[in-house]
Amino acid sequence: DQQVKQNSPSLSVQEGRISILNCDYTNSMFDYFLWYKKYPAEGPTFLISISSIKDKNEDGRFTVFLNKSAKHLSLHIVPSQPGDSAVYFCAASERGYSTLTFGKGTMLLVSP
Amino acid sequence: GAGVSQTPSNKVTEKGKYVELRCDPISGHTALYWYRQSLGQGPEFLIYFQGTGAADDSGLPNDRFFAVRPEGSVSTLKIQRTERGDSAVYLCASSLIGGSNYQETQYFGPGTRLLVL
Repeated sequence: DQQVKQNSPSLSVQEGRISILNCDYTNSMFDYFLWYKKYPAEGPTFLISISSIKDKNEDGRFTVFLNKSAKHLSLHIVPSQPGDSAVYFCAASERGYSTLTFGKGTMLLVSP
Repeated sequence: GAGVSQTPSNKVTEKGKYVELRCDPISGHTALYWYRQSLGQGPEFLIYFQGTGAADDSGLPNDRFFAVRPEGSVSTLKIQRTERGDSAVYLCASSLIGGSNYQETQYFGPGTRLLVL
């Protein structure tokens, strides 16, 4: 059973617009959430994270929102740039455990 | 500074053969993780080392898989009697402390693409 779900396999957005990537989770023990970005033939690179005690974390063009009651988080990229085209993975960890549980990923394509 | 490195970058083997995949973590990182990413899936946890010891090997799919980290730095993932279903990208990650510091960033290597024919 998938504990972290990314239900959209792909997303296409025009340059300059907002990209919204969604993630749902089922494990109520998850306490920390992360987004990783992956280019082809490279390993995932950390993008942004959020602790369960917060509902929003912002870093430049990237903002992550967490809705604990709905077990839902989203990544907003504003404005989107062609270089943002990559696969985005949502991941989560339980308090006290450093291993990560990943979703299947969403491929974002930002067109000029 | 140098990131996580993995060798080989690609490995093609025949069903039934033995393979070793190597991970060189960021210098000074105590925690080391192995994940496996199959086609169309996200990375799945295999095993986690805290120093030289395997702190959590609950993700290893069966006893054909084994990993070591004898000196607390480089790690080797070993797969015996490979099967076609073992074909995947094997990712290694490291973090500074790990364990209860679960909010640490994990830094990933580029992965080893294993193809079992």
